[in-house]
Amino acid sequence: DQQVKQNSPSLSVQEGRISILNCDYTNSMFDYFLWYKKYPAEGPTFLISISSIKDKNEDGRFTVFLNKSAKHLSLHIVPSQPGDSAVYFCAASGDSGGGADGLTFGKGTHLIIQP
Amino acid sequence: GAGVSQSPSNKVTEKGKDVELRCDPISGHTALYWYRQSLGQGLEFLIYFQGNSAPDKSGLPSDRFSAERTGGSVSTLTIQRTQQEDSAVYLCASTQPPRTDTQYFGPGTRLTVL
Repeated sequence: DQQVKQNSPSLSVQEGRISILNCDYTNSMFDYFLWYKKYPAEGPTFLISISSIKDKNEDGRFTVFLNKSAKHLSLHIVPSQPGDSAVYFCAASGDSGGGADGLTFGKGTHLIIQP
Repeated sequence: GAGVSQSPSNKVTEKGKDVELRCDPISGHTALYWYRQSLGQGLEFLIYFQGNSAPDKSGLPSDRFSAERTGGSVSTLTIQRTQQEDSAVYLCASTQPPRTDTQYFGPGTRLTVL
């Protein structure tokens, strides 16, 4: 049973437009959420995170929104750039970000930025 | 470099053989994680080490999998009698408590069992 779901395996967005990546979770014990970005043949790199006590966190072109009642979060990238083309993983934790249970990841969304 | 390193980067082995994967965490990071990513799947948490403490092995997929961490630094993940379903990318991550949210990942070891 998948506790973190990314229902879009891929997403194509034109350069300069907004990219919106979605993530749903089922475990109400999750209290910390993260987005990781992964290029081929490399390990995932941390992008942005949000605690369950907040509903928005912003870092430059990246904003993460959390809707606890809907158990849904989204990552907004604006404006989208060619270098943003990668696989994006949503991850969650019930131990304020990691600890002994590790992170629970979604299957990822492959974002393709078209020129 | 100062990042997490893993070796080998690629490993091809025959079914039934044992393999050993290595992870060198970022210097000073006491927390170390192993994950695996099978084709088309997300990352699956395997095991967590905090310093020299004995790990919780309940996340390991079978008793053919074992992991150890020597001196609170380097870790090895051993898979005995490999099966084709063990084929995956094995990723190691480290971080420094109390901030365990941002895990720094290595490039992974791609294991192929023929």
